[in-house]
Amino acid sequence: DTAVSQTPKYLVTQMGNDKSIKCEQNLGHDTMYWYKQDSKKFLKIMFSYNNKELIINETVPNRFSPKSPDKAHLNLHINSLELGDSAVYFCASSQGSASRTGELFFGEGSRLTVL
Amino acid sequence: QKEVEQDPGPLSVPEGAIVSLNCTYSNSAFQYFMWYRQYSRKGPELLMYTYSSGNKEDGRFTAQVDKSSKYISLFIRDSQPSDSATYLCAMSGMDSSYKLIFGSGTRLLVRP
Repeated sequence: DTAVSQTPKYLVTQMGNDKSIKCEQNLGHDTMYWYKQDSKKFLKIMFSYNNKELIINETVPNRFSPKSPDKAHLNLHINSLELGDSAVYFCASSQGSASRTGELFFGEGSRLTVL
Repeated sequence: QKEVEQDPGPLSVPEGAIVSLNCTYSNSAFQYFMWYRQYSRKGPELLMYTYSSGNKEDGRFTAQVDKSSKYISLFIRDSQPSDSATYLCAMSGMDSSYKLIFGSGTRLLVRP
């Protein structure tokens, strides 16, 4: 039973389209994250929610909008996709702060390609 | 300059070799240090976690933190082909403990 699951795993779309990625965790964690990993493997935090409250909002274009309907779900909606949005988007979760145990549980990633 | 620097590699070693992976960082407020392993087309998974300075050993893996030099290392003894992956260091400070800052990863290839 997958701990952190993301859908879809692959998205190929045209510039200007809108797309969503969904994430669910069954670990009972109270904190969820979206990370972006570029082609050079650089993993950068985008957003974090703790108990459905936004606690981290990095310098991300407002075309990106996260939504957490409950503690177990965190979705990412992207409007007006651009070529530079092509990357792998990882959802992750932790119990409390990630530093407390050092452990973020990552999903397998959603590979977005914008043509 | 990025907050965390890591040589991207690739690093290619024969099976059984000792591997040394390193990161340097610039933020002296970092207190928590981690190493994650990422296999191809998978999400990262935690390998080692240390708080503040010192060494930590877990099986074939040893993590070292030298805060005075702002330098952390991961040593892998008796490396195996199954260790072939990308290794990412990560760290955070007490005032931003929800936010892990990752290095860009070192790709390791262990040749049979």
